[in-house]
Amino acid sequence: GQSLEQPSEVTAVEGAIVQINCTYQTSGFYGLSWYQQHDGGAPTFLSYNALDGLEETGRFSSFLSRSDSYGYLLLQELQMKDSASYFCAVRDGNYGQNFVFGPGTRLSVLP
Amino acid sequence: EAGVVQSPRYKIIEKKQPVAFWCNPISGHNTLYWYRQNLGQGPELLIRYENEEAVDDSQLPKDRFSAERLKGVDSTLKIQPAELGDSAVYLCASSLADTRSYEQYFGPGTRLTVT
Repeated sequence: GQSLEQPSEVTAVEGAIVQINCTYQTSGFYGLSWYQQHDGGAPTFLSYNALDGLEETGRFSSFLSRSDSYGYLLLQELQMKDSASYFCAVRDGNYGQNFVFGPGTRLSVLP
Repeated sequence: EAGVVQSPRYKIIEKKQPVAFWCNPISGHNTLYWYRQNLGQGPELLIRYENEEAVDDSQLPKDRFSAERLKGVDSTLKIQPAELGDSAVYLCASSLADTRSYEQYFGPGTRLTVT
């Protein structure tokens, strides 16, 4: 089976840096995605890591260690609009087309 | 480019009644997913289509849920009869079947309340 773990909540202040961790256990692994979801909104794609290392996209970076079954999303220069839920998702299954989502981390950015 | 379209956005029904959700994916996206998201949890895959073929429906409760994707474009997810535990947000997502197939585009979802 598959299981993913994330912290349920994280709180930080504007301008700060926050890291959201994700550990996973899967029978097959092709990559790790991150999605952002505001309350009442649709999940939106942030990043994808198939190989070990850091991927940077603007203020957001994502890291993967396949040997540790671990990844994280790093958000820099936090803004109020970053308050949302963040989900990691493992890509596995036949041809890597199935995605299993984690329980999500609710980020609150304080002024 | 239009995003993934879903309707209705909200639906309230009594238990044992049928309900249907409709999804129009982004033009050209071969892969279509239906997810269910309970409050405070991540999306859970119900069914995945590649064009018109359901390639993974292992998580779909087949006794009451059904889905179809005629002509490989629009898709409909049906529940009959609905139960109280079906209250959730039903999300549709689509992706290309190429090197960026890992990037899913989600619709706004249909929030179902079963009373």
